[in-house]
This record gives sequence, C-alpha cells and structure tokens, in this order.
Amino acid sequence: SAVISQKPSRDICQRGTSLTIQCQVDSQVTMMFWYRQQPGQSLTLIATANQGSEATYESGFVIDKFPISRPNLTFSTLTVSNMSPEDSSIYLCSVEDRLSGTARTFYGYTFGSGTRLTVV
Amino acid sequence: GNSVTQMEGPVTLSEEAFLTINCTYTATGYPSLFWYVQYPGEGLQLLLKATKADDKGSNKGFEATYRKETTSFHLEKGSVQVSDSAVYFCALEYGNKLVFGAGTILRVKS
Repeated sequence: SAVISQKPSRDICQRGTSLTIQCQVDSQVTMMFWYRQQPGQSLTLIATANQGSEATYESGFVIDKFPISRPNLTFSTLTVSNMSPEDSSIYLCSVEDRLSGTARTFYGYTFGSGTRLTVV
Repeated sequence: GNSVTQMEGPVTLSEEAFLTINCTYTATGYPSLFWYVQYPGEGLQLLLKATKADDKGSNKGFEATYRKETTSFHLEKGSVQVSDSAVYFCALEYGNKLVFGAGTILRVKS
C-alpha cells in the first residue's frame, strides 16, 4: 500500500501567521485529500487536490483560507492562512490506495500521520 | 445526505472481553464502508473495509459485516487486549470522499 510522509508533525504558531503542510507519497496518485480533525472531533474533508487543476473545496472551506498546491502526482501542500486559535487541529492528507493495472485492487484510503497545529 | 452514526463512548472493557462498536449509515446507493483506528498520538490506520453488501472485512482479530438490510457495519472482536485501546472511526465512501462517524473511544483495562 501507499506510504505517505507528512510534515511537519506538529507546530505551534502565532495567530495571524500561515503554515504550509507538505504531503509526499511514494507512488503516483490521481487524487489527494486534505482533512481536518478538530480537538476531540471526527475528521472533516477540506478539499480534494488533483494534479494540474484547482482543488475542489467542501462546503465551509475556501481557497483563500486553505490554499492547496498539487505540482505533481506524488506531492501536495496545504497552507493554513491567517491563523486563529480556532484553526488548532490535526490536519491529515490522504490518498486513494488503488493498484493500477489489470487487477485494480482497491486497498482503501491511506492517511498521513498528521500535523498537529496549535495556534496561540 | 450521507452520514455515519457510531455508538457513543467511551467504551471501557476488561482484557479478553468481547467488543462490539455499533455503526449505522445513511447513504444513496451502496457505498464502501471502512473502520479506521487512531492510536494515541498517531494518525489514522485502516483497520478493515467492505465494498459490497454481505462482505465481511477482517484484520487483527476485528471483523465487520456490511449489512445492507440494516444499513450497519458493526465492529466486533472476540477478545480485546490493552493494546487495542484507541479511537475507532466508522466511515463510508461516496464519490472518492470519506464521511466519518464521530469516533468511539475504547479503553481496555488489564
């Protein structure tokens, strides 16, 4: 299955600043996903990132606040802009883990280890 | 719309007890269903999945069966260990997007 490297693993940031989170996959994937997990809560999808096109944002999330880049099939970044304490969360990237080729075995969705962000 | 409802926790069990965590879903069509586990301080790990009705997913002693008639995907394990203490999330997939339940905290005492 795919292996995802996500960094930083954690950060403490001042309000009003921005943080860029990186996600690297060890294989080429069509879609990458960014999720947010607020303290004690479940995961919510922020956006879907396809290579070569603008990310698609879910209701309640906007590009100005969470700009996403997807320069190639193995890498994506999520920026949390103009941060406030309400942005303190764990941010996770995810990919669809599917074996290409004749088998097209679907393994599920693999997640990075997450970035624990605290805004002070 | 699409949603997942999980039993509320925390669930506290003694080691070697039987575990059931209930999960029901609402969806259009027939989504794939997943259980993910999040150990303390770690990211999400896929525990098991089922992609069609009557499929049984299994891994590490955990099992769940996709029940279309009851729109359920309950997680079970015959004998839990302290190392199973974690948060368990039920999720469904539609259009390449995952919708998660609220999560259930499991605490296993020795």
